[in-house]
Amino acid sequence: LAKTTQPISMDSYEGQEVNITCSHNNIATNDYITWYQQFPSQGPRFIIQGYKTKVTNEVASLFIPADRKSSTLSLPRVSLSDTAVYYCLARNTGKLIFGQGTTLQVKP
Amino acid sequence: DARVTQTPRHKVTEMGQEVTMRCQPILGHNTVFWYRQTMMQGLELLAYFRNRAPLDDSGMPKDRFSAEMPDATLATLKIQPSEPRDSAVYFCASGAFSRHTEAFFGQGTRLTVV
Repeated sequence: LAKTTQPISMDSYEGQEVNITCSHNNIATNDYITWYQQFPSQGPRFIIQGYKTKVTNEVASLFIPADRKSSTLSLPRVSLSDTAVYYCLARNTGKLIFGQGTTLQVKP
Repeated sequence: DARVTQTPRHKVTEMGQEVTMRCQPILGHNTVFWYRQTMMQGLELLAYFRNRAPLDDSGMPKDRFSAEMPDATLATLKIQPSEPRDSAVYFCASGAFSRHTEAFFGQGTRLTVV
């Protein structure tokens, strides 16, 4: 399974765009990049998944360059309620391995 | 609104006692995961099942933990005997898996062993 590396923490202010980058240098050909969000006292929640280029949904965008060794989760105009831990995963077989995640703190 | 249901939500028990946590996966999902979360270790995968068969339980302490799926609507995680170091939040998740699909997590069981 590909190991992922992401910043431990980030701070932002309401209304700003937040980009969280994840490194996955040994990603396998069959791996997809998946991001989850976790609020305190809740289980993780799926945000977005992609294989390459750009994927966008109502919550976020995911940018994956051609070499697929990294990916960037983009959250447009964050609010206080986006304060959470964000996990980047590389998966293919269905087995989900979570790293330490990035704790995003959004300030007023 | 389909969701993964875990019971109990909270459990306080004494060291040495048996603890059973239950999970009802979303109907139609064929893959079930058990995770343990602590501040120190983060989210650890304990076991996962596909079509009720255990695929990987390498993350689980075999001497005291056991995980089963008696039927497609119930997954159980049992600790016997429990120890204070087992105190954590235990999450169950289910998915209708191909690699393109997401996992849905329950609200977790917060276990405290005193």
